[in-house]
Amino acid sequence: EVQLVESGGGLVQPGGSLRLSCAASGFTFSSYWMSWVRQAPGKGLEWVANIKQDGSEKYYVDSVKGRFTISRDNAKNSLYLQMNSLRAEDTAVYYCASELVTDAFDIWGQGTMVTVSS
Amino acid sequence: SYELTQPLSVSVALGQTARITCGGNNIGSKNVHWYQQKPGQAPVLVIYRDSNRPSGIPERFSGSNSGNTATLTISRAQAGDEADYYCQVWDSSTEVFGTGTKVTVL
Repeated sequence: EVQLVESGGGLVQPGGSLRLSCAASGFTFSSYWMSWVRQAPGKGLEWVANIKQDGSEKYYVDSVKGRFTISRDNAKNSLYLQMNSLRAEDTAVYYCASELVTDAFDIWGQGTMVTVSS
Repeated sequence: SYELTQPLSVSVALGQTARITCGGNNIGSKNVHWYQQKPGQAPVLVIYRDSNRPSGIPERFSGSNSGNTATLTISRAQAGDEADYYCQVWDSSTEVFGTGTKVTVL
């Protein structure tokens, strides 16, 4: 079964750090771009970052540039998001997603909640 | 940065047709994807590349894209179609989501 499972969310103070993980299974992880998408409580979807199959290209939404780093370990079938200098506005459910069959996000994880609060 | 504008809400009577618009500058030149999201769940792709349905998505869902507006059409609306819907495009190496539309089935 094709599956993405996120982990690592939690409560963190403003200015703190957190590392999210996304474990992939059921498909050849190393063959696909991977993305992080977030959704603040009661708000819409916001794409955060993506990474090429071999990690050679990475792109970020302006609001997280310089604070977040996307990475992957193809040997472990895992995607990561290192989040530093966290702000209250980073509070959201974070989803990992990919484009397996189509060129749209046709596979999503269940999400992991990140709360930035003192 | 590229922006996609959707109506905040759309209401449709049971069995009737709902149309959800997604406005963007020359969006007709881009591939538009649509997602359905129900409360507490991850989004689900319902239309990709303007008008294509992924496997398992009912034929009641269709899409079009021209000029400055893309449209998701839900025919013969059912209670289970009640959800938030988002359009999405790729622009300048970034993915952009629309503002989202809440569809209510009356």
